Amino acid sequence: QVQLQQWGAGLLKPSETLSLKCAVHGGSFSGYYWSWIRQPPGKGLEWIGEINQSGNTHYSPSLKSRVTISLDTSESQMSLRLSSVIAADTAVYYCARVAVATNAFDVWGQGTMVIVSS
Amino acid sequence: DIQMTQSPSTLSASIGARVTITCRASQSISNWLAWYQQKPGKAPKLLIYKTSTLESGVPSRFRGSGSGTEFTLTISSLQPDDFATYYCQQYNSYTFTFGPGTRVEIK
Repeated sequence: QVQLQQWGAGLLKPSETLSLKCAVHGGSFSGYYWSWIRQPPGKGLEWIGEINQSGNTHYSPSLKSRVTISLDTSESQMSLRLSSVIAADTAVYYCARVAVATNAFDVWGQGTMVIVSS
Repeated sequence: DIQMTQSPSTLSASIGARVTITCRASQSISNWLAWYQQKPGKAPKLLIYKTSTLESGVPSRFRGSGSGTEFTLTISSLQPDDFATYYCQQYNSYTFTFGPGTRVEIK
């Protein structure tokens, strides 16, 4: 059974770079995209972007200029970097697996709360 | 970009009630529509994908239907474990969008 375990800095100042990692336990990278999704406190879900085993990436148009998602298959990890953060980037960030056959997020990480505050 | 709306935003219902949540897309999204259940402090859980396919392990009281721009999630007999927030999600042209959510409360 695939499990995703995520970690990273939880408190940032405005203009800093958010950096999160997500370890993939017990599964293959093949046939899937690996995504990041966020949820501001008390609000809905927002897709950030995805990457596959070949390094192909797709990003949300609203975040594209600040986002980098990478994949290290040798370490079974994926990473999220979001530059120039502002208070509106405060959210719980999730990593998740997307099956190419379904285009749905079937496995999720536990979530990491990131607060942006001066 | 495709925008998603959900109605109602909040729903109050009793145990055993039949519940229907509607999700509408701003343009046709074929059948790439999924539904999730989220409880406070937890990650969302996939219930249904490709409009109507039940994820493994999800109770059969959950049913998805629809096409084009209008989709529904029906819970045939609401159980205590079903009180949560439900989100729809679409996929189109390498982007994903979630609906704003429907909170299902105990009446």
